Amino acid sequence: AQSVTQLDSQVPVFEEAPVELRCNYSSSVSVYLFWYVQYPNQGLQLLLKYLSGSTLVKGINGFEAEFNKSQTSFHLRKPSVHISDTAEYFCAVSDGGGYQKVTFGIGTKLQVIP
Amino acid sequence: NAGVTQTPKFRVLKTGQSMTLLCAQDMNHEYMYWYRQDPGMGLRLIHYSVGEGTTAKGEVPDGYNVSRLKKQNFLLGLESAAPSQTSVYFCASSYGSQSYGYTFGSGTRLTVV
Repeated sequence: AQSVTQLDSQVPVFEEAPVELRCNYSSSVSVYLFWYVQYPNQGLQLLLKYLSGSTLVKGINGFEAEFNKSQTSFHLRKPSVHISDTAEYFCAVSDGGGYQKVTFGIGTKLQVIP
Repeated sequence: NAGVTQTPKFRVLKTGQSMTLLCAQDMNHEYMYWYRQDPGMGLRLIHYSVGEGTTAKGEVPDGYNVSRLKKQNFLLGLESAAPSQTSVYFCASSYGSQSYGYTFGSGTRLTVV
């Protein structure tokens, strides 16, 4: 069985400061990894994904994530956040098999402070 | 380009009432999913469909039924609503391979009183 752990439920950060949102996963097979963002009262939007190849993945809005197989992590980073980045961020893992079941983490709320 | 459209956006039901949530996608996606989102629990899969006419149970299917009579539509039914079904419901679709990721609708906020 696969699982996802988002280590922080809330992360406050000042505007223009860097941020890292942590995600660890467990799976017995090769995985696909995703980060989604949910703005208030909206659905989830795909931010970036890791399928294979380069372990550093770049996404929309200046976010990037690094896949670390040995530490089973897929942390999300941004070097300088903006007020508009205030949202909830979900890490997700898929084993790519069958119906491509996706398991979501419980989310991390990023609050950018002016 | 609408993507995934959910109706209604809000609904209040009395315990025991029934209702149907509609999800429509215009991207010709094969896979469609219904999730519920609850505080502190993330998203949990209720039912999913891998193509027109097919449905399957997810993690938390009890109390829900689904139908996919047309490729573009995926309906979620609550037979007899219970307060435990108060939640935000999201529909999602994907092209096929999970490598494309999901496209989500904007959600339906359901309250059962």
